[in-house]
Amino acid sequence: AQTVTQSQPEMSVQEAETVTLSCTYDTSESNYYLFWYKQPPSRQMILVIRQEAYKQQNATENRFSVNFQKAAKSFSLKISDSQLGDTAMYFCAFMKHPSLAGSRLTFGEGTQLTVNP
Amino acid sequence: ETGVTQTPRHLVMGMTNKKSLKCEQHLGHNAMYWYKQSAKKPLELMFVYSLEERVENNSVPSRFSPECPNSSHLFLHLHTLQPEDSALYLCASSQDLQFGPHEQYFGPGTRLTVT
Repeated sequence: AQTVTQSQPEMSVQEAETVTLSCTYDTSESNYYLFWYKQPPSRQMILVIRQEAYKQQNATENRFSVNFQKAAKSFSLKISDSQLGDTAMYFCAFMKHPSLAGSRLTFGEGTQLTVNP
Repeated sequence: ETGVTQTPRHLVMGMTNKKSLKCEQHLGHNAMYWYKQSAKKPLELMFVYSLEERVENNSVPSRFSPECPNSSHLFLHLHTLQPEDSALYLCASSQDLQFGPHEQYFGPGTRLTVT
C-alpha cells in the first residue's frame, strides 16, 4: 500500500516571498503520478500541478514548481511570489499507474498555508 | 454549468432519514469518484465508477449506496447514518481510468451533518 506524508501541518509566509511545502511517499511502484491539490476556504479542491514519475524534469506551472526526487521519494512544492489567494490547505497525492481496476488517489494529511500581507 | 457540480451544498439529516447527494460533471469524463473528508483525516476514497460501472468499493458501510445512471451523473444515497458520518463529501471526475489524462477534478462538496 502507498502512503503519503506531509510533515508540516501548518506554514506561513509573507506576501511576495517563496515557500516550500514538503511531501514524502512510500511505494514499491515504479510508474506513478504525483499531484499537489489546494483546498481554499471555499472547500473546492483545485489541481495545482502534476508530475509523472518517468519524467526527470520537474513540473512547473507559473509560480508553482516541484522538486521531484524519485530515489528519495520526495515531492516538494515551491510557491514563488506568494499571493494572499494562495492561502489554502495543500494536499500532496499519489496515484499508481491507473488501470481498469481503479485509479486510487492517496492523499497526505495536508499543510495549511497562510500568506500574510 | 461548468466543471463538477454537487447538490446540495449543505445537508443536515437525522439518523433515521434517507437522503441523496448528487454530482454532475460537465467535462465529458468517463470516470467518477466519491470521497469523504473528515476533520483531521486525509481524504478517503469511497467509490470509483468507470462508464457507469462500479470498479472500486473501498470497504464502505452499506448505509452508503452509490448510483451512476450515466457517465455524467453520480449519486450517493444515504440511510440510517451515524453521527461519525458527518463530513464533507467530495465528488470528482477524470477523463478515463486507464488511458488518462489522470487528473481528477473535484466538485465543491456537500457538507453533511448527521444529528
